[in-house]
Amino acid sequence: QKEVEQNSGPLSVPEGAIASLNCTYSDRVSQSFFWYRQYSGKSPELIMSIYSNGDKEDGRFTAQLNKASQYVSLLIRDSQPSDSATYLCAASNTGNQFYFGTGTSLTVIP
Amino acid sequence: DVKVTQSSRYLVKRTGEKVFLECVQDMDHENMFWYRQDPGLGLRLIYFSYDVKMKEKGDIPEGYSVSREKKERFSLILESASTNQTSMYLCASRSRGQKYNEQFFGPGTRLTVL
Repeated sequence: QKEVEQNSGPLSVPEGAIASLNCTYSDRVSQSFFWYRQYSGKSPELIMSIYSNGDKEDGRFTAQLNKASQYVSLLIRDSQPSDSATYLCAASNTGNQFYFGTGTSLTVIP
Repeated sequence: DVKVTQSSRYLVKRTGEKVFLECVQDMDHENMFWYRQDPGLGLRLIYFSYDVKMKEKGDIPEGYSVSREKKERFSLILESASTNQTSMYLCASRSRGQKYNEQFFGPGTRLTVL
């Protein structure tokens, strides 16, 4: 099993809907979790980080972490066409290692 | 704000050339990383460095080497470029020892090897 796994999509949602992106992880990475957004041709930018079980909200974004089930998700409320991008899930352990999923492509349809 | 810069946004080289990609960060981060990103394959770690003159191989180090002579600068070297090294190259940095710290990325270098 890879350290971090994501469904590659593509995921399409209508404008104004909730987009739900999911990620599972292995026992080898269990400390910190991150969501990056990457527009086509650009580098990844951090949008959310989460370390504790439960939900963390930042504007239209909510990250959810469930350590018992080993998954982390990102919800985007009131999706906008500008949210269309690839979303990368990442995780780290206590060492220097940092692991990325392969990304989920999201398209928000106007 | 953390700033990670890369020497070139676009680069075109010929097969067999020696290629240098440079990355500089301004936040005194100990850890620096080089990735390549290809469609369908995601981010793949080439090398990382956790201190000056220290380096560790990542998942795909073959055909690459790195140099870290100063804390703020991490260079990726393609000793003899080949067409299968055409890719987007991303540099990142991260503060060491604090497990909650995220990685910050540079803008990327799109390298084409002809």
